[in-house]
Amino acid sequence: EDKVVQSPLSLVVHEGDTVTLNCSYEVTNFRSLLWYKQEKKAPTFLFMLTSSGIEKKSGRLSSILDKKELFSILNITATQTGDSAIYLCAVAQGGSEKLVFGKGTKLTVNP
Amino acid sequence: NAGVTQTPKFQVLKTGQSMTLQCAQDMNHNSMYWYRQDPGMGLRLIYYSASEGTTDKGEVPNGYNVSRLNKREFSLRLESAAPSQTSVYFCASSEARWVSEFFGPGTRLTVL
Repeated sequence: EDKVVQSPLSLVVHEGDTVTLNCSYEVTNFRSLLWYKQEKKAPTFLFMLTSSGIEKKSGRLSSILDKKELFSILNITATQTGDSAIYLCAVAQGGSEKLVFGKGTKLTVNP
Repeated sequence: NAGVTQTPKFQVLKTGQSMTLQCAQDMNHNSMYWYRQDPGMGLRLIYYSASEGTTDKGEVPNGYNVSRLNKREFSLRLESAAPSQTSVYFCASSEARWVSEFFGPGTRLTVL
């Protein structure tokens, strides 16, 4: 059975801390891995990773994929209260449009 | 440029009633998707449409039908609502395949 597992399930930090969110997967016919941020409403697309070892960066957020060990990490440096959200990891499978989502990591950044 | 819009925002149905959730995007995207999100279950794909005139089943299609009316619009129909269909429904679209890039604001559906 295809699965995507995120850890930790929840995390509470203080502003300025650096956090690392984990995503491991067991999915047939892997195509790419995606990260989303979900605040109160709809998910917002952050990154898509297809190749191992190539870091994607956007401001204080960065992510990297390890296709050999089947995991990805999302790093957030110098966290702010606006980073508080649920971070979702999903894996796209070749041959279909299906995205397999993890259950998310709930990040709370306290002032 | 409104992005992805969904109507209605909230809906309460009785078991057995039918309804259609509407989704439209103004970005000229080929791919559109319907997801449901339940507590502790994450997002699950119901149906998708890779291009105008085509639709395919996702992970949890039972109890739903879809219609890709044109390139802009992709509707989701519940023919006979059941309490198990209580959920938040999201529509998404993207230019590229295999990535749901833009999500609508969601429809919160309760079936009594």
